[in-house]
Amino acid sequence: DGGITQSPKYLFRKEGQNVTLSCEQNLNHDAMYWYRQDPGQGLRLIYYSQIVNDFQKGDIAEGYSVSREKKESFPLTVTSAQKNPTAFYLCASSISGTGGGYTFGSGTRLTVV
Amino acid sequence: GEDVEQSLFLSVREGDSSVINCTYTDSSSTYLYWYKQEPGAGLQLLTYIFSNMDMKQDQRLTVLLNKKDKHLSLRIADTQTGDSAIYFCAERMWSGGYNKLIFGAGTRLAVHP
Repeated sequence: DGGITQSPKYLFRKEGQNVTLSCEQNLNHDAMYWYRQDPGQGLRLIYYSQIVNDFQKGDIAEGYSVSREKKESFPLTVTSAQKNPTAFYLCASSISGTGGGYTFGSGTRLTVV
Repeated sequence: GEDVEQSLFLSVREGDSSVINCTYTDSSSTYLYWYKQEPGAGLQLLTYIFSNMDMKQDQRLTVLLNKKDKHLSLRIADTQTGDSAIYFCAERMWSGGYNKLIFGAGTRLAVHP
């Protein structure tokens, strides 16, 4: 079955470390997205990519970086410059130009220890 | 501006109907969506409605759209304990050169016996 997979489900980071969250999809979707979710808040867009080798900053890109070397993969790196990284991170994908909405992964919960 | 608003909490008795409300800002939005999020999981697309429709029904779910007031609602008939979750409203709008989804903060639905 097609889907979108995020790993790991839980991740712990020491202060000053970079960590990378994985997102892989086999839906043949062109566009991929990273969102951050904090308790009681909606989803905030970090980065998005509409095609391979191209990505754009979202609303809260500072302290994060991404790459899109393959259509199926859109990893997110949380750098030491992100001052408050503890959050739930969601990856999503969609077919560009349609109204079918996004397909979401199951999320990664990142905690700074 | 871009803003989707929802009430944060709704409590209903099992077997009753639940109505979750949402207001959005962009009158040119073409699609509006309802997503469900269970604890520790990603978002699951429940249903969506195209802007030229007033109503869409899918089994226990009824979506009503009032374009004049920019108001969207989700009615869940015969609410069950398994419906307890956070429900997100989202509008699709063109911004920054691509179609993006703007999410509300989510409505936490609690179903009690």
